[in-house]
Amino acid sequence: QAVVTQEPSLTVSPGGTVTLTCGSSTGAVTSGHHPYWFQQKPGQAPRTLIYDTSKKDSWTPARFSGSLLGGKAALTLSGAQAEDEAEYYCLLSNGGVRPVFGGGTKLTVL
Amino acid sequence: QVQLVQSGAEVKKPGASVKVSCKASGYTFTGHYMHWVRQAPGQGLEWMGWINPNSGDTEYAQKFQGRVTMTRDTSINTAYLELSRLTSDDTAVFYCASHSSGPVDWGQGTLVTVSS
Repeated sequence: QAVVTQEPSLTVSPGGTVTLTCGSSTGAVTSGHHPYWFQQKPGQAPRTLIYDTSKKDSWTPARFSGSLLGGKAALTLSGAQAEDEAEYYCLLSNGGVRPVFGGGTKLTVL
Repeated sequence: QVQLVQSGAEVKKPGASVKVSCKASGYTFTGHYMHWVRQAPGQGLEWMGWINPNSGDTEYAQKFQGRVTMTRDTSINTAYLELSRLTSDDTAVFYCASHSSGPVDWGQGTLVTVSS
């Protein structure tokens, strides 16, 4: 099955912009992978941030956006806030049957 | 709104089985696939499989095949995950997650501890 790769960790300054990426060992990530992005804070269940590449859940702050960038799925945070410090996971639909999670990116706001 | 309420924490001995439940409300239970996801302590999310509550069809990750069984009871809007032949590596939080074509809704998680 595909291996999905994410940056293990990233740091962003308060008010700054950062892009997290999600790649696949099988090749370019496309809209057909229906990329999902989840946010997870310590001791909490994950929550959906972005689904189907760029669609936002009802709670998703406007400062988060999803896209495809250079053959990867991307999550961009513009105007980082302290509350955005969390682990972020992407999920790719691997042929529509067996989805695969990325290893997660620990985002520090500092 | 969608609510997924999972059963409480479990402690099991190596070699035993565990069955975790996930009761759904706030939507048509048979209209959304139910996925199960494992998260070992300090580790990432791992997809285990899904069940179609309407048909009972299942799809399991290769890693868990032969050891995992997902079932559902549509009369009480509840999905179940059973994992057998537990080892210490199965110590984890298990999440149910409901999905149709939009956002994924998550249960609160169930901690399963495997210890002799």
